[in-house]
Amino acid sequence: DTAVSQTPKYLVTQMGNDKSIKCEQNLGHDTMYWYKQDSKKFLKIMFSYNNKELIINETVPNRFSPKSPDKAHLNLHINSLELGDSAVYFCASSPRHGTDTQYFGPGTRLTVL
Amino acid sequence: SQQGEEDPQALSIQEGENATMNCSYKTSINNLQWYRQNSGRGLVHLILIRSNEREKHSGRLRVTLDTSKKSSSLLITASRAADTASYFCATDAAQGGKLIFGQGTELSVKP
Repeated sequence: DTAVSQTPKYLVTQMGNDKSIKCEQNLGHDTMYWYKQDSKKFLKIMFSYNNKELIINETVPNRFSPKSPDKAHLNLHINSLELGDSAVYFCASSPRHGTDTQYFGPGTRLTVL
Repeated sequence: SQQGEEDPQALSIQEGENATMNCSYKTSINNLQWYRQNSGRGLVHLILIRSNEREKHSGRLRVTLDTSKKSSSLLITASRAADTASYFCATDAAQGGKLIFGQGTELSVKP
């Protein structure tokens, strides 16, 4: 019954590795987002997709590649992980693209060693 | 950048007291939202107030918006220990359809 789900919840990996985080929403929303929350709780948008189309790409290094196989899923693949990538990554969705209420997943805590 | 800034950064009160958090932003907006984040969890939407509204209520929550001062406040009345969380305001950007979040107010309600 979880509206927005993410896997895994925790991810610990070595520098240089490649990893993926998956997100699914069962709300029937058109738009999905990825956010990064740093250690000071500052939450910054990374990407948004509307009906599988990339809408927002916020000056994120191209090591980060989002993929949306359908409008209910938005995955985040990160290549060549760096120490500075350690953060909590949140997926969110909203009914349409814009500034509707957003529904957040539980987050994925990524730790790069 | 159009970033909301919350004040105070941290607030500690006793159960039953009221908690007031403030948010300031820099440019004109269409709406402003407040979210709550419990420790280790995702954000949960609390309330949305549009630029043509001045005040909105939802249960024990009261939000005000002063567009002339570019500020908003969130009041939680009769606080409970379960209200302990971080509270974020989010404003919509002038273009691009994205929300800009502040750094939050960390509220601690002691039983």
